[in-house]
Amino acid sequence: DAGITQSPRHKVTETGTPVTLRCHQTENHRYMYWYRQDPGHGLRLIHYSYGVKDTDKGEVSDGYSVSRSKTEDFLLTLESATSSQTSVYFCAISGTSAYNEQFFGPGTRLTVL
Amino acid sequence: AQSVTQLGSHVSVSEGALVLLRCNYSSSVPPYLFWYVQYPNQGLQLLLKYTTGATLVKGINGFEAEFKKSETSFHLTKPSAHMSDAAEYFCAVSAPLNFGNEKLTFGTGTRLTIIP
Repeated sequence: DAGITQSPRHKVTETGTPVTLRCHQTENHRYMYWYRQDPGHGLRLIHYSYGVKDTDKGEVSDGYSVSRSKTEDFLLTLESATSSQTSVYFCAISGTSAYNEQFFGPGTRLTVL
Repeated sequence: AQSVTQLGSHVSVSEGALVLLRCNYSSSVPPYLFWYVQYPNQGLQLLLKYTTGATLVKGINGFEAEFKKSETSFHLTKPSAHMSDAAEYFCAVSAPLNFGNEKLTFGTGTRLTIIP
């Protein structure tokens, strides 16, 4: 299994509070991704990174920001959490393969009350 | 632009029966295609992938998929279902990185239930 960890694994927070989720990899892969998974929508890309300090938006980036100051860490921040951001968040990594084969972390279940 | 359509959000089959999960894609460049499996409360695990070459691809746990360009399909099959196959399955498409596409586009998933 690819070395990907996510923290925390579960979090309950209140509307309006900031939340930061962490993805950590030990594979030295170049690409890192944040997805959210919701019933009926599959996985939707929030943001991704193609190198240290290099990030770009995905299809559902509103209300989220990211940072990558080290190869191994990719942080997702909800600046002011809303109930619509209740979801399961997955981090993924992709490296030297030209096929963009992605490996996924175990996920973080976030509940915004 | 790329997209994936998975036909059937829920599929039920009897143990020992054929499993067929359908995936159709749209891509303006030669696609790379993937099937991922997600067991309850876990992340996604790569089941198999098609990149180039042989159009029949074999994956883990006895699954296989066939790339049919003329039908823009990449259906997942397994000859005999097992109780442990109960999970959600996602089809995904990407383009070669040298086309400037670093992203996967996922279908909405198919939940497979196995009937004892």
